[in-house]
Amino acid sequence: QQQVKQSPQSLIVQKGGISIINCAYENTAFDYFPWYQQFPGKGPALLIAIRPDVSEKKEGRFTISFNKSAKQFSLHIMDSQPGDSATYFCAASKSGNTPLVFGKGTRLSVIA
Amino acid sequence: GAVVSQHPSRVICKSGTSVKIECRSLDFQATTMFWYRQFPKQSLMLMATSNEGSKATYEQGVEKDKFLINHASLTLSTLTVTSAHPEDSSFYICSASDSYTQYFGPGTRLTVL
Repeated sequence: QQQVKQSPQSLIVQKGGISIINCAYENTAFDYFPWYQQFPGKGPALLIAIRPDVSEKKEGRFTISFNKSAKQFSLHIMDSQPGDSATYFCAASKSGNTPLVFGKGTRLSVIA
Repeated sequence: GAVVSQHPSRVICKSGTSVKIECRSLDFQATTMFWYRQFPKQSLMLMATSNEGSKATYEQGVEKDKFLINHASLTLSTLTVTSAHPEDSSFYICSASDSYTQYFGPGTRLTVL
């Protein structure tokens, strides 16, 4: 049973456009929701994370929107650039010390 | 941000040999470390959770006698793949937690011939 569902599986966005990736979770005990960016052959890098006490968090061009009642959270990448082309994973856990449950990933391609 | 290193970054070994992978938190003490495995174009699969000074907790289906984990200090965890076989070839990634956030290492590409 997949506890974190991520969509879409792949995404193509024009340079300057907005990339949107969605995730839904099932376990209401989750209270930590990070997004990771991974380039081929590299480990995942923490991009931005949110906890349920806020509905939105913005860091530069990256924004997480969180809907606790719907058990959904999403990543928005504004002004998408070719350098943003990577695989993005959403994840969830009960705390920083417990294992992360990952979504299946979204392969983003930003084309000029 | 916090830095986690892994060594080696790539290793090629013969079938039947053992390989040790090190994971270090460079600028913080990691209360917990995790080991993941990732196949091409797939998500990360948790293998085990390790806390300093105690035995690792393995996920269902992960052979603890094959994947030996030692968490000797708050900054170092090691994963030893014993009697490696070609099906063990994969990308192994560790993460370290400062109790609030998990930071990932750069990964180790293991190829077993």
